Amino acid sequence: GNSVTQMEGPVTLSEEAFLTINCTYTATGYPSLFWYVQYPGEGLQLLLKATKADDKGSNKGFEATYRKETTSFHLEKGSVQVSDSAVYFCALRGGGSNYKLTFGKGTLLTVNP
Amino acid sequence: NAGVTQTPKFRILKIGQSMTLQCTQDMNHNYMYWYRQDPGMGLKLIYYSVGAGITDKGEVPNGYNVSRSTTEDFPLRLELAAPSQTSVYFCASRTGTGDRGYTFGSGTRLTVV
Repeated sequence: GNSVTQMEGPVTLSEEAFLTINCTYTATGYPSLFWYVQYPGEGLQLLLKATKADDKGSNKGFEATYRKETTSFHLEKGSVQVSDSAVYFCALRGGGSNYKLTFGKGTLLTVNP
Repeated sequence: NAGVTQTPKFRILKIGQSMTLQCTQDMNHNYMYWYRQDPGMGLKLIYYSVGAGITDKGEVPNGYNVSRSTTEDFPLRLELAAPSQTSVYFCASRTGTGDRGYTFGSGTRLTVV
């Protein structure tokens, strides 16, 4: 079946530091890949997505590139802000389960001023 | 545009009680989902629906039931609540075309004591 593995958290950074959150996946076929963000007390929001190999998703300064050869979709941001503090989820859809998203366990990011 | 609305936001149940978590979306989305989120475990799919009158089990359906009589509503029923059902429950929906990701509700925090 499909699975998503994210780096263990929590991650604590100082403002303006560089962020990487690793995500690798296992799926049959050609899944679509997503990053969702969950701010405290809220539901998940779509941050960015990529639907085919070598696509780069980007939003709010965050980027992730769909790497089929390494089955990865790592999230990066060049300069984090305190307002980026949240839980980040990597997810995939497709590869035989077109109706459903499969989520990683989430990574808690805390950015200190 | 309200998006996905979940009620209630918080609830405490006693063991053996029953309740219904409500979910309504006003985006005319065909697909709707119920997830539960346990600490450090990501999101697990409980049930999903691909349209009115059609529902199917996800990864963790035991102890829950759903119905989908209209496009807008997708209630989740807990019969005979157990402490293991203490969790945060999220409803989500998406359109059946394209790959725009899911829209999530803000969640229901349920405690069974």
